[in-house]
Amino acid sequence: GENVEQHPSTLSVQEGDSAVIKCTYSDSASNYFPWYKQELGKRPQLIIDIRSNVGEKKDQRIAVTLNKTAKHFSLHITETQPEDSAVYFCAALNNEKLTFGTGTRLTIIP
Amino acid sequence: KAGVTQTPRYLIKTRGQQVTLSCSPISGHRSVSWYQQTPGQGLQFLFEYFSETQRNKGNFPGRFSGRQFSNSRSEMNVSTLELGDSALYLCASSTDPFYGYTFGSGTRLTVV
Repeated sequence: GENVEQHPSTLSVQEGDSAVIKCTYSDSASNYFPWYKQELGKRPQLIIDIRSNVGEKKDQRIAVTLNKTAKHFSLHITETQPEDSAVYFCAALNNEKLTFGTGTRLTIIP
Repeated sequence: KAGVTQTPRYLIKTRGQQVTLSCSPISGHRSVSWYQQTPGQGLQFLFEYFSETQRNKGNFPGRFSGRQFSNSRSEMNVSTLELGDSALYLCASSTDPFYGYTFGSGTRLTVV
C-alpha cells in the first residue's frame, strides 16, 4: 500500500520567515495530494491541494509543489504569522484511500 | 451549509464493550471516510464508503466495522474494545475523495 513520509516532525521559524515541509510517497498511482492544517483541539482543515497533472499551485502565502518523477511534494508558507502555528499533514490519494504523513508541528516565534 | 457532524463528541467505555459512532456528512456528499487519530500514529485510515458501498479498508482488525445508509450518514462500530482503541475518531466527507475532504470534529473515545 501507499506510504507517505513527512519531514520535519517539528519546525520553528521566526515570524515573517518562510517554512517548508516535505513529503514523499511510494505509489506512483497516487494522483491527489492535499495538505491539512490542524490547530490544537480542532479538526483538520484542507488548506491547499494539488493534482498529479499539475506541478505547482499557489494560494496567497501558501504554495505546493509536486515532483512526480521523484515522488515528492512540498508545502511552502511565506511571510509566516503567529496564526500559522499548527500541525500540518500531507496526504496522498490512491484508490479512494487517503494516506497521511505523520505531521509537522510548526511553531512561529514572534 | 452545515458541516460534518459527529456524535457523540466524547465517550468513555470499558474494555470488552462495544461502541457505535455516528457521522452525518455535508448535504450532497456521498463519500465518507473514517480515520483514527492518536499522538503516536497520526491519522490512520479505517475505511471509505460511497453510496452505501465500502470501497476501501485500512489495516485494522475485524473488530472495526462500518456502514453507510442511503442518506449517506455513516456509522462506525468497534467491538470488544481494547485500551489501545482510545483515540480521536474522525469522519470526513466529500463529493469524491479526489476533490478534498471536510472533517468533522471527531469523537474522542476513551477505553478504561
